[in-house]
Amino acid sequence: KAGVTQTPRYLIKTRGQQVTLSCSPISGHRSVSWYQQTPGQGLQFLFEYFSETQRNKGNFPGRFSGRQFSNSRSEMNVSTLELGDSALYLCASSLGVGTQYFGPGTRLTVL
Amino acid sequence: QQQVKQSPQSLIVQKGGISIINCAYENTAFDYFPWYQQFPGKGPALLIAIRPDVSEKKEGRFTISFNKSAKQFSLHIMDSQPGDSATYFCAASEGMGETSGSRLTFGEGTQLTVNP
Repeated sequence: KAGVTQTPRYLIKTRGQQVTLSCSPISGHRSVSWYQQTPGQGLQFLFEYFSETQRNKGNFPGRFSGRQFSNSRSEMNVSTLELGDSALYLCASSLGVGTQYFGPGTRLTVL
Repeated sequence: QQQVKQSPQSLIVQKGGISIINCAYENTAFDYFPWYQQFPGKGPALLIAIRPDVSEKKEGRFTISFNKSAKQFSLHIMDSQPGDSATYFCAASEGMGETSGSRLTFGEGTQLTVNP
C-alpha cells in the first residue's frame, strides 16, 4: 500500500505571498492531520479533517486553513506568509482512530 | 495541561548499549502514547505505542514502560545500533474514538547518537 504523499516537497516563497500544500492519505484512510515542525517549537498540531469536516483545530492564526476533498485528499493554505512560517509541514493520515502515519513533509522557506 | 515533557534533549550511547528516553504528561485524559522515530529529511515513523491499561509493551529491541500513577512513560532501546541514530519523539492523545479525532501532542524530541 502506498504511503502518505505530500507535494511539493520543497517550496520557497516571499513574505506576504500565500501557499497551498497538498496531501494524499493512505488509501482507505479518512482522517488527515497537519502538523508544523520547527527547531524552536517542535511538532505542533494545526488541524485535522475527517470526512471533509474539520474535526480538531490547534492554536494557529486564521491565516492557516485547510480543506479535505471527497477522496480524502487534503490541502493546507497559508495566506500572508511571515518569516516565522518557515517550517516543515507534515501531513498524517489515519483510519479515523488509532495510529497516524506521516508523510515526508513539505519544506517551506519564506524569504 | 496539554504538554508532554521529554528528556534528555540529546543522548549519546555506545553500540550495544541501552538508550533510555523519558516523557511526562499532565493531562490525565491522554489514553494513547506512541513513540515516533525521525531521520533527517523524513517524516516521523511510528515505532511503538501503548495504552494506559498496560505497564509495558515490547516489540523487538524497543520497549515502552508506562507508569500511570506517575504520569510518565519511557522508551528503552536495547542493543542500540548506529542505524538507530535519529530523533525520537514521544506523543500523547486523548479519546481515540471517531468523534474526538486524532490530535497528537508531541514531546520536544531526543537526538540519539549511537557510536560504533
